[in-house]
Amino acid sequence: ELKVEQNPLFLSMQEGKNYTIYCNYSTTSDRLYWYRQDPGKSLESLFVLLSNGAVKQEGRLMASLDTKARLSTLHITAAVHDLSATYFCAVESNSGTYKYIFGTGTRLKVLA
Amino acid sequence: NAGVTQTPKFRVLKTGQSMTLLCAQDMNHEYMYWYRQDPGMGLRLIHYSVGEGTTAKGEVPDGYNVSRLKKQNFLLGLESAAPSQTSVYFCASSFRRDLRGNEQFFGPGTRLTVL
Repeated sequence: ELKVEQNPLFLSMQEGKNYTIYCNYSTTSDRLYWYRQDPGKSLESLFVLLSNGAVKQEGRLMASLDTKARLSTLHITAAVHDLSATYFCAVESNSGTYKYIFGTGTRLKVLA
Repeated sequence: NAGVTQTPKFRVLKTGQSMTLLCAQDMNHEYMYWYRQDPGMGLRLIHYSVGEGTTAKGEVPDGYNVSRLKKQNFLLGLESAAPSQTSVYFCASSFRRDLRGNEQFFGPGTRLTVL
């Protein structure tokens, strides 16, 4: 059964600091997605990772995928207040019954 | 383009009442999805559709029905609402599942309370 775990669940960090959010999943997959959700809002796509070793960067965020370790990371560089949001990873199953499973999310608060 | 829209934005039901949530997309996407979001549980897939006239169950389908009579619309029905169905419901759509991945585009959500 495909399970997706994120940690930490909550993260409070100072502006200017670096940190990493982790997304672990339980079965084979090479398709992983990161989304952002602002409070009371909908989700928006951040990154699409489709192969082992894939790395994508957008501004202060960088995402990577290690399919052998079944791990994706979302690295935040020099955090700013505008990055405060909840970040979700989602894993898409490779075969069998279609599954697209979201992690429980990491709520990030960047303090000025 | 409006993207993905949902109707209504808010709704309060009494236990046992029925209602239909409407999702519409104008991006010519093949796939459409209904999720529910509950505190501390992320998003869970209720039902999905890979094309007009087709639907399939997701992780938590019980108590819900769906229909996709037109490619651009995906309806979620609650026949007899229960307090456990109090949640925020999101509709999403995507082109299809192919080599470019399956990035999903989300609607603004419907906040449903069942008393």
